Amino acid sequence: GAVVSQHPSRVICKSGTSVKIECRSLDFQATTMFWYRQFPKKSLMLMATSNEGSKATYEQGVEKDKFLINHASLTLSTLTVTSAHPEDSSFYICSAREGGGAGEQFFGPGTRLTVL
Amino acid sequence: AQSVTQPDIHITVSEGASLELRCNYSYGATPYLFWYVQSPGQGLQLLLKYFSGDTLVQGIKGFEAEFKRSQSSFNLRKPSVHWSDAAEYFCAVEVGTNAGKSTFGDGTTLTVKP
Repeated sequence: GAVVSQHPSRVICKSGTSVKIECRSLDFQATTMFWYRQFPKKSLMLMATSNEGSKATYEQGVEKDKFLINHASLTLSTLTVTSAHPEDSSFYICSAREGGGAGEQFFGPGTRLTVL
Repeated sequence: AQSVTQPDIHITVSEGASLELRCNYSYGATPYLFWYVQSPGQGLQLLLKYFSGDTLVQGIKGFEAEFKRSQSSFNLRKPSVHWSDAAEYFCAVEVGTNAGKSTFGDGTTLTVKP
């Protein structure tokens, strides 16, 4: 099956610094990638949808200047948490889809971000 | 907007017993339906999906799910649970008109007793 990787799997940073998380589709070209945030014991909250070569579409309530998303190629999307604060600590998961429209998403293993 | 309800927050079953996890959705048309499993600290793995056709779908790891249009449900079942099935299970709904975005239920935590 299609494989999606995320790097790093775990990151600890100081408050005020920026952190970049990479999401890669390893064996397929991802037209669309999604970024989710998951709080403990909670469901996935969609943060944004990113399409290769265009600006990401953010969900309501998600600060686009804080969570910068770049989808520069068909196999790589990055999420940068800028000026991170403790409340940004969470589990961030990306997913990728090969084509447009509806259909199966392939999920990365997630990145645990802890902001001190 | 579509919504997904998983009524059971936590279910405990004995190993070898049968399992049913409930999922109800709210949407006017038939959406695409998915069940995912998540082990602690991991991403999501697709168990099965329903797009159209036969309403009883088979998935991986011995799971199956039945789409019932009249009840707007897509319940997940397994005849005999294994200890390794202990995990978090998410039902998800997707409609083609929503830019392919999925809406997830709040999840059901499955505990398996020896």
